[in-house]
Amino acid sequence: GENVEQHPSTLSVQEGDSAVIKCTYSDSASNYFPWYKQELGKRPQLIIDIRSNVGEKKDQRIAVTLNKTAKHFSLHITETQPEDSAVYFCAASIYGGSQGNLIFGKGTKLSVKP
Amino acid sequence: ETGVTQTPRHLVMGMTNKKSLKCEQHLGHNAMYWYKQSAKKPLELMFVYSLEERVENNSVPSRFSPECPNSSHLFLHLHTLQPEDSALYLCASSLHGGDAEAFFGQGTRLTVV
Repeated sequence: GENVEQHPSTLSVQEGDSAVIKCTYSDSASNYFPWYKQELGKRPQLIIDIRSNVGEKKDQRIAVTLNKTAKHFSLHITETQPEDSAVYFCAASIYGGSQGNLIFGKGTKLSVKP
Repeated sequence: ETGVTQTPRHLVMGMTNKKSLKCEQHLGHNAMYWYKQSAKKPLELMFVYSLEERVENNSVPSRFSPECPNSSHLFLHLHTLQPEDSALYLCASSLHGGDAEAFFGQGTRLTVV
């Protein structure tokens, strides 16, 4: 089955700096890669996702890149703000048909210092 | 609110008890999931139901038994649990399995004593 590795497990940056979180996946059939943000005491919520027919996607200060050949994808947050502090999870899945195996990485705890 | 509701929010049970967790969604989704969240494995997939059929169980111990009577409801029946089963149990749903945003419930904080 799919295995998703995520690094680093913790990340501390100064406000205004950029943050990068990297994930690798094992199943070459995976073709959907979402990122979730979980604030303390709250549920995980989708912040951005990318499908395998796209190499990069951007939404304001957040961008995700995908390298299918190397089987890795990354989350980039620019101009970080204290409210970006949270745990971020990457995930990989196969879309189409009845498959429903959204597998998550172990999370990255991001701390943005003012 | 994401439209996915879990009850109860907190549960304390003894190792010999039987209890059930409930998840409900009225978003028109046809895939539902149970995840276990703990310090060791932050988001561990337990069960997936797509169109009310179980498609994944990831070798979860038999003391956890899921039930999906219809596309809007998902249960997790618990019996003879161990203290290491204490965790946050999160339910999620999506429009179809695998390639759509998963909406999570608030979770049930389970403590096994």
